[in-house]
Amino acid sequence: AQTVTQSQPEMSVQEAETVTLSCTYDTSESNYYLFWYKQPPSRQMILVIRQEAYKQQNATENRFSVNFQKAAKSFSLKISDSQLGDTAMYFCALTQGGSEKLVFGKGTKLTVNP
Amino acid sequence: ETGVTQTPRHLVMGMTNKKSLKCEQHLGHNAMYWYKQSAKKPLELMFVYNFKEQTENNSVPSRFSPECPNSSHLFLHLHTLQPEDSALYLCASSHPGTSGRSNEQFFGPGTRLTVL
Repeated sequence: AQTVTQSQPEMSVQEAETVTLSCTYDTSESNYYLFWYKQPPSRQMILVIRQEAYKQQNATENRFSVNFQKAAKSFSLKISDSQLGDTAMYFCALTQGGSEKLVFGKGTKLTVNP
Repeated sequence: ETGVTQTPRHLVMGMTNKKSLKCEQHLGHNAMYWYKQSAKKPLELMFVYNFKEQTENNSVPSRFSPECPNSSHLFLHLHTLQPEDSALYLCASSHPGTSGRSNEQFFGPGTRLTVL
């Protein structure tokens, strides 16, 4: 069975600083994908960043980057130069290649303080 | 409209009412999903449809009845719900393909359901 664990229920960061959200996962598959989704308060869930397991290079999207440690089954999200609009729930998720199912972690509530 | 839309955005119903939630996707995807999101609980996958066929029912009570008439539309029919069914119900769509294609899911804004 696939599992995703986010051990930080809540975090806060000052505007313009850097914060890292943790995620660990477990899967027996070799072909899988990892995602970070963002759900702002009362707004739609959107994809922040995606990582293919077969790629060694860490994915980067503007201020968002991941630290993908395949052997340790760790997939953390780093947000640089935090902005007030980054305040949201962040969900880590895992899927097998070609599978319909996405397994989510419980989420981390991030608050960016001015 | 683009993306995934859901109606209504808010719904209040009594335990004896019958109502339906609607989801529509304009992304050309073939898979659609219903999730339940309750406060302080992880996202719970309820149902999965792929090419209109139900491929997953995650032990959901029969008071929730899904319907997928085509790959673009998904409904969730509700009847005799309980107060603990109050939650945000999210619809999503994706295009799961052969090995090598990621299953990125695109979410709708959700329906906030309150059962009195």
